[in-house]
Amino acid sequence: AQSVAQPEDQVNVAEGNPLTVKCTYSVSGNPYLFWYVQYPNRGLQFLLKYITGDNLVKGSYGFEAEFNKSQTSFHLKKPSALVSDSALYFCAVRDGGTYKYIFGTGTRLKVLA
Amino acid sequence: GAVVSQHPSWVICKSGTSVKIECRSLDFQATTMFWYRQFPKQSLMLMATSNEGSKATYEQGVEKDKFLINHASLTLSTLTVTSAHPEDSSFYICSPDPGGRNTGELFFGEGSRLTVL
Repeated sequence: AQSVAQPEDQVNVAEGNPLTVKCTYSVSGNPYLFWYVQYPNRGLQFLLKYITGDNLVKGSYGFEAEFNKSQTSFHLKKPSALVSDSALYFCAVRDGGTYKYIFGTGTRLKVLA
Repeated sequence: GAVVSQHPSWVICKSGTSVKIECRSLDFQATTMFWYRQFPKQSLMLMATSNEGSKATYEQGVEKDKFLINHASLTLSTLTVTSAHPEDSSFYICSPDPGGRNTGELFFGEGSRLTVL
């Protein structure tokens, strides 16, 4: 069965510092991996995805993620955090044979001024 | 990204009443619509998948008679919470699937927060 794990409930980082939000996955075939961000009382917004190709994926708002097949990880990163990046971040994996997504439990990012 | 309109954003209702949530894809036709439920501080749980013109497919544990889904057109799907009770209070989010133009990511409505008194 496919699954996604986000080991950290919350990540705190000082503004201007680099940030990492962790995600590991388990899939039976080639992974389709995604990151979404959710602001309070809002739907999810797409940040970036890995389907195939370069392991380093660049997305919206300066975020990037690195696909690591050997470690089955897809950590979200940003070189310099902004206070406005504070939100809830979800990693997701998509079943290659269906349209179903499995979401991680979410990581709350708090960027401190 | 795609434009998805979900209404209402907030709704408060009395126990025993029914509430309808609408989800519209404004710039594409969606043959498939996903409905999710999100509890506080928890992830999204897929409730059901609806296909235009046919019956919805519900996930295990989701009562189809309580959560009525109608996908009558390619741009509109509705979720009706029937005879709502306080335990139905949650954040409901729709996600239309663009089908042929799908490049993998989902597009979500802004969500509807339901509070049942």
